[in-house]
Amino acid sequence: SQWGEENLQALSIQEGEDVTMNCSYKTYTTVVQWYRQKSGKGPAQLILIRSNEREKRSGRLRATLDTSSQSSSLSITGTLATDTAVYFCASFNTNTGKLTFGDGTVLTVKP
Amino acid sequence: EAAVTQSPRNKVAVTGGKVTLSCNQTNNHNNMYWYRQDTGHGLRLIHYSYGAGSTEKGDIPDGYKASRPSQENFSLILELATPSQTSVYFCASGGWGGQNTLYFGAGTRLSVL
Repeated sequence: SQWGEENLQALSIQEGEDVTMNCSYKTYTTVVQWYRQKSGKGPAQLILIRSNEREKRSGRLRATLDTSSQSSSLSITGTLATDTAVYFCASFNTNTGKLTFGDGTVLTVKP
Repeated sequence: EAAVTQSPRNKVAVTGGKVTLSCNQTNNHNNMYWYRQDTGHGLRLIHYSYGAGSTEKGDIPDGYKASRPSQENFSLILELATPSQTSVYFCASGGWGGQNTLYFGAGTRLSVL
């Protein structure tokens, strides 16, 4: 797998709290995408960050990418119950040209 | 808004039977993908296509075939379904590589008994 074991996790927090989800990858990548998947739906892209950006913001979302440690994070500030979902990071593998998904983080935000 | 439609949404098949999952996109995207998702895991790429008439093997192609008869349609075929192929299957369209967003369908839940 392109992803480390720590990629699979579950988080449960209260509405209003901030949360950060992490993922690491084994092969070189120039782009990481974060997707959100709500129950019974297909994944939908949230944010894309390139290797020359280090940080990208979109509304309450903040993504980081550290190519030296081969890791990425997604932070959500002021979480809402509607943020409850599974969050995936996906890295572009420059060797294969494919977008490879990690195992995801199950986030539960309690109202 | 990009649109990807999968059919059927749910399917129960018997071991050894043939199963065809269909996907239609109205985004005019050249590239289409089939992923499977198992409980507790991310999405794994089965087959993909660069355009009508082309199919390529993804990371887990064994036991699956794909067909891309037109720009809009991409099918996944299980010639001899096995219980290990019980999963949720997602179709996506989009560009190739990390710079492009993939647009996913709602998924097909397949149970092979």
